Amino acid sequence: DTAVSQTPKYLVTQMGNDKSIKCEQNLGHDTMYWYKQDSKKFLKIMFSYNNKELIINETVPNRFSPKSPDKAHLNLHINSLELGDSAVYFCASSPGGQGGEAFFGQGTRLTVV
Amino acid sequence: AQTVTQSQPEMSVQEAETVTLSCTYDTSESDYYLFWYKQPPSRQMILVIRQEAYKQQNATENRFSVNFQKAAKSFSLKISDSQLGDAAMYFCAYRSYRDDKIIFGKGTRLHILP
Repeated sequence: DTAVSQTPKYLVTQMGNDKSIKCEQNLGHDTMYWYKQDSKKFLKIMFSYNNKELIINETVPNRFSPKSPDKAHLNLHINSLELGDSAVYFCASSPGGQGGEAFFGQGTRLTVV
Repeated sequence: AQTVTQSQPEMSVQEAETVTLSCTYDTSESDYYLFWYKQPPSRQMILVIRQEAYKQQNATENRFSVNFQKAAKSFSLKISDSQLGDAAMYFCAYRSYRDDKIIFGKGTRLHILP
């Protein structure tokens, strides 16, 4: 039973399109994240939600909009995709408060052509 | 702002030997977590080991152990009896008690030589 699952695993799309990545966790965690891993493997936090509330919003273009319908779900919608958006996007969750480690989904490889 | 630095982009070790991966971090806080994650070619992020800063004892998990030096802000990972399955990217990460942000180093690619 997958703890953090994100769909799709692979996404190939043309520049200018709009796409969404979905994430769900069944761990009962309060905090969820989106991370971006670039071609050099650098992991950068994009957003963090705690109990459906946006907590962290790093300097991400406003073409990226996270949405958390409930604390078990955090989706990422990307408008007007650009070549530079090509990366692996990871969803993760962790206990809130003084919670410990993050548990990661399997990642979504987004390729913009 | 907190930072995490991994100074070794790549390392190699002979199978069955021991290797140490380095990590330093910068913070003004006293309460935090430190982690090592492994990312094999499957790209799944796997927690290897965690350390809470208030604990003086170094964490161990089977063949994996850390050398946590709080005053020096150093958190190295030692892998004993290296196995082919240990080949992966290894990321050091920091999380303060104060907020939910988990910050990662740039990673060290570990090669295991048969």
